Amino acid sequence: QKEVEQNSGPLSVPEGAIASLNCTYSDRGSQSFFWYRQYSGKSPELIMFIYSNGDKEDGRFTAQLNKASQYVSLLIRDSQPSDSATYLCAVNYQAGTALIFGKGTTLSVSS
Amino acid sequence: KAGVTQTPRYLIKTRGQQVTLSCSPISGHRSVSWYQQTPGQGLQFLFEYFSETQRNKGNFPGRFSGRQFSNSRSEMNVSTLELGDSALYLCASSTGTFFTDTQYFGPGTRLTVL
Repeated sequence: QKEVEQNSGPLSVPEGAIASLNCTYSDRGSQSFFWYRQYSGKSPELIMFIYSNGDKEDGRFTAQLNKASQYVSLLIRDSQPSDSATYLCAVNYQAGTALIFGKGTTLSVSS
Repeated sequence: KAGVTQTPRYLIKTRGQQVTLSCSPISGHRSVSWYQQTPGQGLQFLFEYFSETQRNKGNFPGRFSGRQFSNSRSEMNVSTLELGDSALYLCASSTGTFFTDTQYFGPGTRLTVL
């Protein structure tokens, strides 16, 4: 049974700070890792994905993957109040493109 | 390009009834996945369909079933509804061909079981 673990939070950071969100996964065979953002009352939307060890940057967001430690993280630089949302970590489910999600970390950015 | 659509958006049913939810994927997408979202359990994977075949199945009882049509539209059915089935049901579509494919979510169907 694949599992994805995240701290539920809330994680509170001041505007302009770096927010660090962490995720661990149980299945060493997992190939791809996704970060989704979900605003209250809305559907999840993709922030970015990563499948190679190391860092991947996209604007203010950086995803980091360490397969040896089965750990993936998301850094948000220059956090804005509009970044306040629940961040969901997900890994691919066996063959196919379905995903197993963690329960999410709630981020609150104060102005 | 139109996004993923789900109908109906809201449903109220009573225990013991059955319900059918519909999902229309983004044009060209052949994979549709279904998820149940509740405050306590988060987003849980139900099943994935690709080219009319169930490709993956999560850990849900047999009361939950689905199908996919030749135009990639998908339906999920829940029989003998229980109070615990009250949730937001989300479907997501993707091309379904690569493990890095992005899943695009629909707005969801909010099911309330009384």
